[in-house]
Amino acid sequence: KNEVEQSPQNLTAQEGEFITINCSYSVGISALHWLQQHPGGGIVSLFMLSSGKKKHGRLIATINIQEKHSSLHITASHPRDSAVYICAVFGPSQFYFGTGTSLTVIP
Amino acid sequence: DTAVSQTPKYLVTQMGNDKSIKCEQNLGHDTMYWYKQDSKKFLKIMFSYNNKELIINETVPNRFSPKSPDKAHLNLHINSLELGDSAVYFCASSQVGGAYGYTFGSGTRLTVV
Repeated sequence: KNEVEQSPQNLTAQEGEFITINCSYSVGISALHWLQQHPGGGIVSLFMLSSGKKKHGRLIATINIQEKHSSLHITASHPRDSAVYICAVFGPSQFYFGTGTSLTVIP
Repeated sequence: DTAVSQTPKYLVTQMGNDKSIKCEQNLGHDTMYWYKQDSKKFLKIMFSYNNKELIINETVPNRFSPKSPDKAHLNLHINSLELGDSAVYFCASSQVGGAYGYTFGSGTRLTVV
């Protein structure tokens, strides 16, 4: 069983829709990261969270430490948001990665 | 002024060869990592290197070895390449062991034929 579980695995949305990607983890963590990987392959760190909520443009990330759960929200989705979104947690001395959520936003 | 740079971006080589992938970071981070991303896009840590301490994922074959000439570089050497080594390899760096920010390189696509 993976220490980090993401859902859904695949997601298709119409442009403009509100999108939520969920991440649950089973290890004690000091920080959680949301990463974005575009079809070209490069990985970008979107957020690092240890509590509460962060917002950057149309992206919002929340974390509930007690429930060991985080969500990534995209408001007013756009085709350029199409990518794989990966949840990664920094647990005892190492990172654990989710398997990613592949998002496709259709115009 | 790339923060974490990997070379080469693409590498095609024959089975049995020995190859290296280079990684350099100019962020002043104290920890560097190598990750392997398999065909299912799952990222798996291979090594982390912090202040001369090397932490190895026990599942990594000993044909893989990281070499760090200094704090800004962590190169990956692979001996006797096998078909199953084909993957995308990502280098990354962070400060204070990863809990305060994490920057990835653009990846090296290795194809073993």
